[in-house]
Amino acid sequence: EAGVTQFPSHSVIEKGQTVTLRCDPISGHDNLYWYRRVMGKEIKFLLHFVKESKQDESGMPNNRFLAERTGGTYSTLKVQPAELEDSGVYFCASSQDLSQPQYFGPGTRLTVL
Amino acid sequence: QKEVEQNSGPLSVPEGAIASLNCTYSDRVSQSFFWYRQYSGKSPELIMSIYSNGDKEDGRFTAQLNKASQYVSLLIRDSQPSDSATYLCAVNPQRGGGADGLTFGKGTHLIIQP
Repeated sequence: EAGVTQFPSHSVIEKGQTVTLRCDPISGHDNLYWYRRVMGKEIKFLLHFVKESKQDESGMPNNRFLAERTGGTYSTLKVQPAELEDSGVYFCASSQDLSQPQYFGPGTRLTVL
Repeated sequence: QKEVEQNSGPLSVPEGAIASLNCTYSDRVSQSFFWYRQYSGKSPELIMSIYSNGDKEDGRFTAQLNKASQYVSLLIRDSQPSDSATYLCAVNPQRGGGADGLTFGKGTHLIIQP
């Protein structure tokens, strides 16, 4: 069974540009989560999808971040416009249902110059 | 604000010894507790989950939970060099881990010395 995959693995952009990160959850997992780890800090929750619906987006830092999960399969996280403080590793996780643990992808390392 | 505290380390343990990793959490209503192992540049890998007070064993790993003290620990017996990694403690207010976003600690860097 394939795990959670994320694309790209690395992205380097300039301040003010737009970047879109993609996450493909484990097949059959309705629940999809986005997290972020900035340097020196802990991994922080951003938002949670159940199928295509946003269940909880309390962790989204501001309105420059937009997450979508059209069709309830893969998800994208767009940052527009990117700021220096957006640099970090963005992780995606999925779980089969609410009673199951979350399994993480390898992350996308975003560097904003 | 929910917090999970871990000693960042590094924690250095001789090969073959028991490694003991500790974690405390602030949200008293937390129901689910997880240990993830993360190698440098890799994804966090789930190694243990625990939901009830007491011990839970899986191979060389034992998770211990004490909700009254808001404390969870991970013991690794017969430590191997391949156990060298960062160990992340994560907590969820709901049982099962899937209902909410996890609250993570910063992780403990474990080094097993050959």
